[in-house]
Amino acid sequence: DAKTTQPTSMDCAEGRAANLPCNHSTISGNEYVYWYRQIHSQGPQYIIHGLKNNETNEMASLIITEDRKSSTLILPHATLRDTAVYYCIPIRKGGGADGLTFGKGTHLIIQP
Amino acid sequence: NAGVTQTPKFRVLKTGQSMTLLCAQDMNHEYMYWYRQDPGMGLRLIHYSVGEGTTAKGEVPDGYNVSRLKKQNFLLGLESAAPSQTSVYFCASSYPVYGGTDTQYFGPGTRLTVL
Repeated sequence: DAKTTQPTSMDCAEGRAANLPCNHSTISGNEYVYWYRQIHSQGPQYIIHGLKNNETNEMASLIITEDRKSSTLILPHATLRDTAVYYCIPIRKGGGADGLTFGKGTHLIIQP
Repeated sequence: NAGVTQTPKFRVLKTGQSMTLLCAQDMNHEYMYWYRQDPGMGLRLIHYSVGEGTTAKGEVPDGYNVSRLKKQNFLLGLESAAPSQTSVYFCASSYPVYGGTDTQYFGPGTRLTVL
């Protein structure tokens, strides 16, 4: 499985866009990039995933570089409720039963 | 649609006691998982199931047993609790997308303390 590198922590002002980077330079061609987050004391929550194209849903946007070695999760208008630990996780196709490997993630703190 | 629910939310055990944690999902998902999360760390997979009547070991299975008698339920058992099993336990479920990947949906967690 590909290893990931994320900043330990980041701050963002409320109402601004939060951009969370993830380096996954060893990702293989059959691995998707998934993003989850964990708000304090709650279970992890799925945010978005992609293979090679940029993706957008109601929660966030995902930008994957053309060489797929890194990606950026964008929360367009961050609110205080977006304060959480964000995890970038490569998952291979058909790897559903593998379970998720959570690293240390990025602790995003939204400042009022 | 309740999603993934876990029972109980909190529990305190003495060393050597046994207990069962219940996970239930109402999304008709095939796959179910049990994870544990220790303070300041990421989740680690204990056991998982790819369908009713099947179970398999994950990364940290020692000291735990599981059963999946019904598709919607996944039970995690501790036969003889130890202080090292003090943790927060999360259950998750997913529907396999053949040829693709599946998204896991998590429950709210069970906080277990073993004295």
